[in-house]
Amino acid sequence: DTGVSQDPRHKITKRGQNVTFRCDPISEHNRLYWYRQTLGQGPEFLTYFQNEAQLEKSRLLSDRFSAERPKGSFSTLEIQRTEQGDSAMYLCASSPSRAGSAKNIQYFGAGTRLSVL
Amino acid sequence: AQSVSQHNHHVILSEAASLELGCNYSYGGTVNLFWYVQYPGQHLQLLLKYFSGDPLVKGIKGFEAEFIKSKFSFNLRKPSVQWSDTAEYFCAGIYNTDKLIFGTGTRLQVFP
Repeated sequence: DTGVSQDPRHKITKRGQNVTFRCDPISEHNRLYWYRQTLGQGPEFLTYFQNEAQLEKSRLLSDRFSAERPKGSFSTLEIQRTEQGDSAMYLCASSPSRAGSAKNIQYFGAGTRLSVL
Repeated sequence: AQSVSQHNHHVILSEAASLELGCNYSYGGTVNLFWYVQYPGQHLQLLLKYFSGDPLVKGIKGFEAEFIKSKFSFNLRKPSVQWSDTAEYFCAGIYNTDKLIFGTGTRLQVFP
């Protein structure tokens, strides 16, 4: 499968614990995005990378959230001291950044569903 | 503020009925518009996109959308729905950055 893959698919944790999610983008894509989706809402942008550089962070991304893409390939999203309000689906997407119409098409993974008890 | 809104939260249709899902975007300069679909248990998939040119765009599975600049709208249409079209549909836009701004989604249920 050459799509965007995310791991794990589901994560259940207790409040106060740290969790880390991984995203592997489509191999030739150098842009990688994180979104969060809560029940009844559309996905909301969290942050994105161009290669290893983090170019934009949403105000939704509190100090407890950190994302990395150390070698410009896979990315991790860590949430420290989880709260019940962090329960959501965390989506990863990737896109190429070459010029032209293909630039802005984002391809999504299946997501990681986080439940904080 | 840049935003995308979808009016219909839940639509129920019988097979062969025609479909139109509303989407409006706020003014914010140049905007690229998308419709994504999420089938039960699956990831978001691109249905169609509009960047420029012909305002009537055709996508996969018989879907089409029309960009009407004067109405700030990008409604999704299909002349005859099938049971397999049951899914959640999201309208989204990209303005002057690369982040997608999504509407709240429309859940479509099609009954045989």
